[in-house]
Amino acid sequence: DTAVSQTPKYLVTQMGNDKSIKCEQNLGHDTMYWYKQDSKKFLKIMFSYNNKELIINETVPNRFSPKSPDKAHLNLHINSLELGDSAVYFCASSRRTLNEQFFGPGTRLTVL
Amino acid sequence: QKEVEQNSGPLSVPEGAIASLNCTYSDRGSQSFFWYRQYSGKSPELIMFIYSNGDKEDGRFTAQLNKASQYVSLLIRDSQPSDSATYLCAVPYGGSQGNLIFGKGTKLSVKP
Repeated sequence: DTAVSQTPKYLVTQMGNDKSIKCEQNLGHDTMYWYKQDSKKFLKIMFSYNNKELIINETVPNRFSPKSPDKAHLNLHINSLELGDSAVYFCASSRRTLNEQFFGPGTRLTVL
Repeated sequence: QKEVEQNSGPLSVPEGAIASLNCTYSDRGSQSFFWYRQYSGKSPELIMFIYSNGDKEDGRFTAQLNKASQYVSLLIRDSQPSDSATYLCAVPYGGSQGNLIFGKGTKLSVKP
């Protein structure tokens, strides 16, 4: 069984569109995260959620909004997509904050 | 500013040799340290974590931590071509509500 899953795996869209990426974990973890990995492979935290509450919101544009319907899901919604948003987005989860994190397979977003 | 520094490499070693990967961090308060492996096109995968000064061994992998000098290293004994990947060091910051900062990774290439 997949521990952390993301959909879609690939997302190609035009500038200005709005898109969402879904993430689900079946590990029973309390904390979920979104990371962005750019073309230089630098992995940077965007958001983390603990028990459905946002506990860290790094300096990302407010076009990005995380939404957590329950503890097992953390979706990422992006408005008005820009070329610079092209990257691989990883979802992750951990039992608690600062514990080891387990990553999903990633979503490669390409904005044309 | 919290920083995690790694030599980006590439680090090239012959099959069977010991690969040594290093990481330095800026936050003296950090208590736990993680090593992730990321194959090209895949998600990061946790391979080791260490909390205490000294060495921690797991199979062919040994993590070494020196809090006084603020560095953590990963040794891979009997390196195999399948070990060829990017190795990411991750260090927590921000106290109990904090998160992980990832280094930019060291690319390891094991030559047959």
